[in-house]
Amino acid sequence: GNSVTQMEGPVTLSEEAFLTINCTYTATGYPSLFWYVQYPGEGLQLLLKATKADDKGSNKGFEATYRKETTSFHLEKGSVQVSDSAVYFCALSQAAGNMLTFGGGTRLMVKP
Amino acid sequence: SQTIHQWPATLVQPVGSPLSLECTVEGTSNPNLYWYRQAAGRGLQLLFYSVGIGQISSEVPQNLSASRPQDRQFILSSKKLLLSDSGFYLCAWRRTGTTGELFFGEGSRLTVL
Repeated sequence: GNSVTQMEGPVTLSEEAFLTINCTYTATGYPSLFWYVQYPGEGLQLLLKATKADDKGSNKGFEATYRKETTSFHLEKGSVQVSDSAVYFCALSQAAGNMLTFGGGTRLMVKP
Repeated sequence: SQTIHQWPATLVQPVGSPLSLECTVEGTSNPNLYWYRQAAGRGLQLLFYSVGIGQISSEVPQNLSASRPQDRQFILSSKKLLLSDSGFYLCAWRRTGTTGELFFGEGSRLTVL
């Protein structure tokens, strides 16, 4: 079956530091890949997505590249802010089935 | 544009009491609908999903149930709440027949005492 594995948190960084949150997946074929962000007390918001190999999704300074050869979709940001403190979820979706498969989430804490 | 709303936002209920959480989607038709639960500090657990009116698939056996009485309405219910039902409940929708993203509601926080 499909699965998504994220690095366990929390990840604690100082403001303006470089961020990487690792995400790897197991799936057959060519899934679509997503990153969601959840701020405290809120629902999940789509941060970015990629639908085919080598696509790069980007939004709000965050980027992730769909790497088929390493089955990865790592999230990066060059300079984090305190307001980026949240939980980040990696997810995949395939043509067969009606659901997204989510990773366990990674909590990011950015200190001023 | 499409919107999704769920209510109530916060609920405190005694053990053994009933539950009803409601979710509605606007601006689209025949969406796939989902209920997730998120326990404190944990990931997402898919509870139910629906591909059409009256069609409910359960992912986890428990004392919760779901119904879809109208195309864009999804209700999560329980006849008797347990302490373990406490958590953050999220409704989501997705365009039918796509591999696209889910769109989530604001969430409902349930505390069972």
